[in-house]
Amino acid sequence: NAGVTQTPKFRVLKTGQSMTLLCAQDMNHEYMYWYRQDPGMGLRLIHYSVGEGTTAKGEVPDGYNVSRLKKQNFLLGLESAAPSQTSVYFCASAGWPTGELFFGEGSRLTVL
Amino acid sequence: GEDVEQSLFLSVREGDSSVINCTYTDSSSTYLYWYKQEPGAGLQLLTYIFSNMDMKQDQRLTVLLNKKDKHLSLRIADTQTGDSAIYFCAESMNSNYQLIWGAGTKLIIKP
Repeated sequence: NAGVTQTPKFRVLKTGQSMTLLCAQDMNHEYMYWYRQDPGMGLRLIHYSVGEGTTAKGEVPDGYNVSRLKKQNFLLGLESAAPSQTSVYFCASAGWPTGELFFGEGSRLTVL
Repeated sequence: GEDVEQSLFLSVREGDSSVINCTYTDSSSTYLYWYKQEPGAGLQLLTYIFSNMDMKQDQRLTVLLNKKDKHLSLRIADTQTGDSAIYFCAESMNSNYQLIWGAGTKLIIKP
């Protein structure tokens, strides 16, 4: 089983550029999440989705957009990248009923 | 607001027991979780405990939950070098499986 797959794994952007991170899961999970991880700050929720066609804001949504057109995919977009968005981004999906999160391997983004 | 706190570092000798502590604030949490993150990887669920339980044991792992003090601990018996990782405590916020995360405890194993 592939589980949760994120692409790309690494990316360097210049300030103002745009990009999209793709997350794909093959476990038929309804719930999907995008987190960012910064040193000493744990995980912070950017956006999440409770099913195909739905999205909702998390703790730190500003500067990001998401889409969930298909159940298995959850896309995270940066329209105009800023250095403050340099981080490691993790996608996760949740299994029922315990809410166990299955994580991708992460996407390391650097904005110069 | 809700918050989860844990120490940033723990250093133990190989073969000893490791105890990682966590305090949380939301008494309505249904599940509390321990996740492990190895270098360069995503997080993986180690274990979880339902809020009506006091203790859960799973091989070398023991989770203790003190609801009165809102304190959660993870004990790893016979700590090995492969246990070197960052351990995150998390509590469930709501039915959307949103979690509140601690900052993570880096477990350092001394030979």
